[in-house]
Amino acid sequence: QSVLTQAPSTSGTPGQRVTISCFGSNSNIGGNSVNWYQQLPGTAPKLLIHTNNQRPSGVPDRFSGSKSGTSASLAISGLQFEDEADYSCATWDDSLNSYVFGMGTKVTVL
Amino acid sequence: QLQLQESGSGLVKPSQTLSLTCAVTGGFISSVAYSWSWIRQPPGKGLEWIGYISHNGNTYYNPSLKRRVTMLADRSRNQFSLKLLSVTAADTAVYYCARSRGAPNEFYFYGMDVWGQGTTVTVSS
Repeated sequence: QSVLTQAPSTSGTPGQRVTISCFGSNSNIGGNSVNWYQQLPGTAPKLLIHTNNQRPSGVPDRFSGSKSGTSASLAISGLQFEDEADYSCATWDDSLNSYVFGMGTKVTVL
Repeated sequence: QLQLQESGSGLVKPSQTLSLTCAVTGGFISSVAYSWSWIRQPPGKGLEWIGYISHNGNTYYNPSLKRRVTMLADRSRNQFSLKLLSVTAADTAVYYCARSRGAPNEFYFYGMDVWGQGTTVTVSS
């Protein structure tokens, strides 16, 4: 269980746009910036988006992040087979006094 | 290029202490404005933040693990460590170390941008 709720899975075909949502509360997403991590099978997580919508150097602009109120979203446009991975949101929680991760959404490219 | 490498005991008996080290190359753990975290991932589950140690040695632990966790920095070897006391099977996980610009509990925090490859720790008798 996590205080950040993500759907377990989603899928799309190559070229499609998929959106992954992360639902939280005022104590986490509502008051703090959100980061997104991509985890390819059997590898360490990789920072995909920081501070709600900022892409680190080297991350394709197909990936975009947004935040509104107590929820955040990660969009992948022009889906590619190499995007098949787990995607987790994360932020600070002021009530738990901890950095928290969502359980992750597995993206399958059909 | 900054690289992190975890090492330590891969098999720990219940009630004993888990000890891991993260060696940093291509950068310094004393670099101002950076923090160094430990994160773990139990098999088939999500990521759990354990805590961080800052560039000046300050620490901040996940309250759910605080009583059992100690993080230390060794500037002479440019590495930092994790000790987790009184382990149980629930502590079985892949353990990662990671660097961040800023610290997770600070306003200016830019996520964990460099990760180690992870090391598997199994708690079993």
